[in-house]
Amino acid sequence: KAGVTQTPRYLIKTRGQQVTLSCSPISGHRSVSWYQQTPGQGLQFLFEYFSETQRNKGNFPGRFSGRQFSNSRSEMNVSTLELGDSALYLCASSSWTADRGEQYFGPGTRLTVT
Amino acid sequence: QQQVKQSPQSLIVQKGGISIINCAYENTAFDYFPWYQQFPGKGPALLIAIRPDVSEKKEGRFTISFNKSAKQFSLHIMDSQPGDSATYFCAASGDGNKLVFGAGTILRVKS
Repeated sequence: KAGVTQTPRYLIKTRGQQVTLSCSPISGHRSVSWYQQTPGQGLQFLFEYFSETQRNKGNFPGRFSGRQFSNSRSEMNVSTLELGDSALYLCASSSWTADRGEQYFGPGTRLTVT
Repeated sequence: QQQVKQSPQSLIVQKGGISIINCAYENTAFDYFPWYQQFPGKGPALLIAIRPDVSEKKEGRFTISFNKSAKQFSLHIMDSQPGDSATYFCAASGDGNKLVFGAGTILRVKS
């Protein structure tokens, strides 16, 4: 099976702009989670989507949002970008059923805000 | 608030030696404890995971030891190799697929 794919891999934006990142999960996986990775804060959970519904949300401001499509592909959006949003954004997919699912990460999108 | 504490921050081990990374958690609702390995420029890769109904799990050279009463778990890498040089993260989950990660351990295996 192909792994989790994320596009684009690298992105440079200016403060105040908005950005959309895309994630395609492993075939058959219905759960998609997003994480932010920074040197200072480490890996932090943003949100999880399952069957097009947000099932869980981390402690991030409303500028961070996401959605999931019927084919399980997911996008996250960050509006009004701040310098502190520079990070590696990781997507993870899981074949969630009734139990805790193993999560598999994509390579990430490196976002730089200038 | 850091809910999973990981130590050490960095570790240097000789080739063939044992690498040991420790994690402690506070939230007793956690019931799934995976370890991830991350190489520069890559996303974290699932290495091995354990649930609290077992005290140890072994997969190849990687072993997780779990102490429920102490709320601690550790990763042992036997016969460490230079190719094992990476950053290792412990994590815990008790709320759906939301993973809470430790701060990471940078492992360097000297040949």
